[in-house]
Amino acid sequence: EVQVVESGGGLVQPGRSLRLSCTSSGFTFGDFAMSWFRQAPGKGLEWVGFIKAKTYGGTTEYAASVKGRFTISIDDSKTVAYLQMNSLKAEDTAVYYCTRRSGTYLYDPFDIWGQGTLVTVSS
Amino acid sequence: QSVLTQPPSVSAAPGQKVTISCSGSSSNIGNNYISWYQQLPGTAPKLLIFDNNKRPSGIPDRFSGSKSGTSATLGITGLQTGDEADYYCGTWDSSLSNVVFGGGTKVTVL
Repeated sequence: EVQVVESGGGLVQPGRSLRLSCTSSGFTFGDFAMSWFRQAPGKGLEWVGFIKAKTYGGTTEYAASVKGRFTISIDDSKTVAYLQMNSLKAEDTAVYYCTRRSGTYLYDPFDIWGQGTLVTVSS
Repeated sequence: QSVLTQPPSVSAAPGQKVTISCSGSSSNIGNNYISWYQQLPGTAPKLLIFDNNKRPSGIPDRFSGSKSGTSATLGITGLQTGDEADYYCGTWDSSLSNVVFGGGTKVTVL
């Protein structure tokens, strides 16, 4: 079965760091870009960033709201994508979703979504 | 404030049709394919429509998509109670170098 599973969420104090993991299975991980989204309580979806497959350069793009604080990386050998979140703020509180971009074009859709992991930033 | 604009809510009776609009600009919808996602209550989003009007395997043909200029539309016919969900449009914005989404539209079956 093609799937991605997030882990690593939890309660963290403002200013601290947290790393989320996204473990993939059922597909050739190295062929796809991986992306992170988030959804604050009662709000809509917000794109966080993506990383292209290393085959296509492994470059990253981020939303302005997290640029400089969040970093996406991948470990092809473990088929895991990571979201390193630093200098966390209360407004980063959200369910974080890991997704697979289905193709190589920037407008290609996100066809596989994880179940999400909740990150709560509070003192 | 979302880059793509959707109505907050739409509603209709069972069996009827609803349409959800998604308005953008030349830097996003106008020059890129659009996708639609369905998020049932308490669950993760699911891809519903891609490349403006294509359905992934398993998505019934009651769901349809179209695009004209800088706007796109999602249509749902034969509305069912199981269609009650939030629906989002999304695409790439070439000027922002960002994935952009609409604010979401809540569909209510009366």
